Amino acid sequence: EAGVVQSPRYKIIEKKQPVAFWCNPISGHNTLYWYRQNLGQGPELLIRYENEEAVDDSQLPKDRFSAERLKGVDSTLKIQPAELGDSAVYLCASRAGTSGRSIEQFFGPGTRLTVL
Amino acid sequence: AQKVTQAQTEISVVEKEDVTLDCVYETRDTTYYLFWYKQPPSGELVFLIRRNSFDEQNEISGRYSWNFQKSTSSFNFTITASQVVDSAVYFCALRDMNYGGSQGNLIFGKGTKLSVKP
Repeated sequence: EAGVVQSPRYKIIEKKQPVAFWCNPISGHNTLYWYRQNLGQGPELLIRYENEEAVDDSQLPKDRFSAERLKGVDSTLKIQPAELGDSAVYLCASRAGTSGRSIEQFFGPGTRLTVL
Repeated sequence: AQKVTQAQTEISVVEKEDVTLDCVYETRDTTYYLFWYKQPPSGELVFLIRRNSFDEQNEISGRYSWNFQKSTSSFNFTITASQVVDSAVYFCALRDMNYGGSQGNLIFGKGTKLSVKP
């Protein structure tokens, strides 16, 4: 079974440029997460989707960040415009089901963003 | 508020040594889950174990073992006879058992970087 797929793996951009990250979760997983991981830190949740609905976006900086999961499968996270402080690894994770019964989250390899 | 503390930023051992990674958590919830994840240099977080707050039994899986103690709010992870392939960053995480809104999300510690030298 394929795991969580993310692209690109690496992205280098100049500040004020836009950038987008793509995630394809494990087949059949209804819940999808986007995390940001700063250097030397643990991942921090940006947004959680259940199917196509964003059920928790309280930590998403909405002035410059946006996300979508139109058909409840793959998802895109966008930053426009990027700032130097956005340099981080952006991780996508998925979980089976939308109830509390399925617990484990499975993570993709992440996209390492460098903003110059 | 929920919080996970991994006080050890980096640990370096020589192959075949035993090593324990500490994790202390804070939560007001009486029911919750604790997790350990491994993050090798490739970047992907790999799930290792999940424990719920009702189950304080220690667990052993091969060279890995976990010691969960509610009395001290700790969930420590021991690798016996460490190997070079164990080199990675290890994260402890906490999740409450509720669901809805911001509940049910993982709260991660800052991680412990383990280097195992041959």
